[in-house]
Amino acid sequence: AQSVTQLGSHVSVSEGALVLLRCNYSSSVPPYLFWYVQYPNQGLQLLLKYTTGATLVKGINGFEAEFKKSETSFHLTKPSAHMSDAAEYFCAVSDRSNYQLIWGAGTKLIIKP
Amino acid sequence: DGGITQSPKYLFRKEGQNVTLSCEQNLNHDAMYWYRQDPGQGLRLIYYSQIVNDFQKGDIAEGYSVSREKKESFPLTVTSAQKNPTAFYLCASSAGLADTQYFGPGTRLTVL
Repeated sequence: AQSVTQLGSHVSVSEGALVLLRCNYSSSVPPYLFWYVQYPNQGLQLLLKYTTGATLVKGINGFEAEFKKSETSFHLTKPSAHMSDAAEYFCAVSDRSNYQLIWGAGTKLIIKP
Repeated sequence: DGGITQSPKYLFRKEGQNVTLSCEQNLNHDAMYWYRQDPGQGLRLIYYSQIVNDFQKGDIAEGYSVSREKKESFPLTVTSAQKNPTAFYLCASSAGLADTQYFGPGTRLTVL
C-alpha cells in the first residue's frame, strides 16, 4: 500500500529564513502529488500540485515543490519565511488507479520572530 | 461565491446520541468526501461519493453513515456505534475523482 512520510512533526525557522518541509512517498508508479496548508481550526487549502510535466511546481504564497522520481520525494520550499506562514502543512499522494488521496501526518511550521 | 459550507462549526453531543454534520457545495462538483482528522495524524477517509445516489466506504466507515440525494449535499451521520467520535470532520469536493479536492472549513465534534 502507498504511504506518505513527512519528516518532522514540527519545523521551526526564523522569519526571513528558508523553509524546507520534507515529503517522501512509496510508490513504484509516480502518483499525483499535493501540498495543502491548514490554519488553526480551518479547512485545508491547496498550495500546489504535481500531475505531469515540469517537475518544479510553483504554488501560492511563494511556495514551490520539486518532484524527484529517483528520490520519491516532493519537498516544499519557500525562500523567505513570513510570520503568516505559520500553519500545518500536509503532503498527499493520489494513487493513479483509484485516485484516493493518501495523507502524510502533517508538519507544523513555526516561525520565530 | 462558490465554495463548500459545513455547519455547525462546533458541535457538542452526549454519548449515545446520533448526530448529523452538514456539507453543502455550490461548485457543481460530482464527487464529495468526508474525512476525519485527529491531532498528529493525517486525514482519514470515511466515505466518498462519485455521483448522486452512490457512495463508497473509505478506510474508517464503521460507525458512520452518509446519503447523497442531491448533487450539492453530502451529510454525514455519526452514530452511537462510533467508539471515538470526538474529532475534526472535513468535507471536500472535486469535479471528478481524478481532480483536485477542495475543502470546507470543518466541524469540530465533541462527544461528552
